Amino acid sequence: DAMVIQNPRYQVTQFGKPVTLSCSQTLNHNVMYWYQQKSSQAPKLLFHYYDKDFNNEADTPDNFQSRRPNTSFCFLDIRSPGLGDAAMYLCATSRETTGLNTEAFFGQGTRLTVV
Amino acid sequence: LAKTTQPISMDSYEGQEVNITCSHNNIATNDYITWYQQFPSQGPRFIIQGYKTKVTNEVASLFIPADRKSSTLSLPRVSLSDTAVYYCLVGFNNAGNMLTFGGGTRLMVKP
Repeated sequence: DAMVIQNPRYQVTQFGKPVTLSCSQTLNHNVMYWYQQKSSQAPKLLFHYYDKDFNNEADTPDNFQSRRPNTSFCFLDIRSPGLGDAAMYLCATSRETTGLNTEAFFGQGTRLTVV
Repeated sequence: LAKTTQPISMDSYEGQEVNITCSHNNIATNDYITWYQQFPSQGPRFIIQGYKTKVTNEVASLFIPADRKSSTLSLPRVSLSDTAVYYCLVGFNNAGNMLTFGGGTRLMVKP
């Protein structure tokens, strides 16, 4: 059974049109992460939540926002997608961010196309 | 943040043992070393995690020398399905989050 579920798997959006990607988890983990991964590159961390505490990476553009209304769900909002935002977006969870309980579980990803 | 250095790519043949080494010269005392595997169009998958000496699970072994400035992921008897990118992660970023990926090693297993 899938433990980290991302919807949709594929998303096409228009240049400049806001888009929301969703992630849900059944693991009851404290931490949820959003990554951006472009072709042939490593995943790049955008931000993460520890419970309700939001942690933004210093170089994450303001165009990217996130919401975590409860433990199970986390959303990635791209306010005005540009062509450079076309990528695979990965959601992950972990129990903790330090020490042993940091094994991360990733979703299948949402591939975003901007036209 | 302990930066990691891995070979960009490696080739192997089915049935061989593959060892991928990761350098992390400025690893901190409380840092763990974690390896992930990623197939195309899928999210990374946790393989193994360790702090020192040797860790083994059903998939791989992780060797960490006493100075902890490097680590080696060992995959016994690889098959074609082990063709993937392997990432070594160490330490924390400024927000205290250890899930910052380095470049990764692209392993190609040939028949």
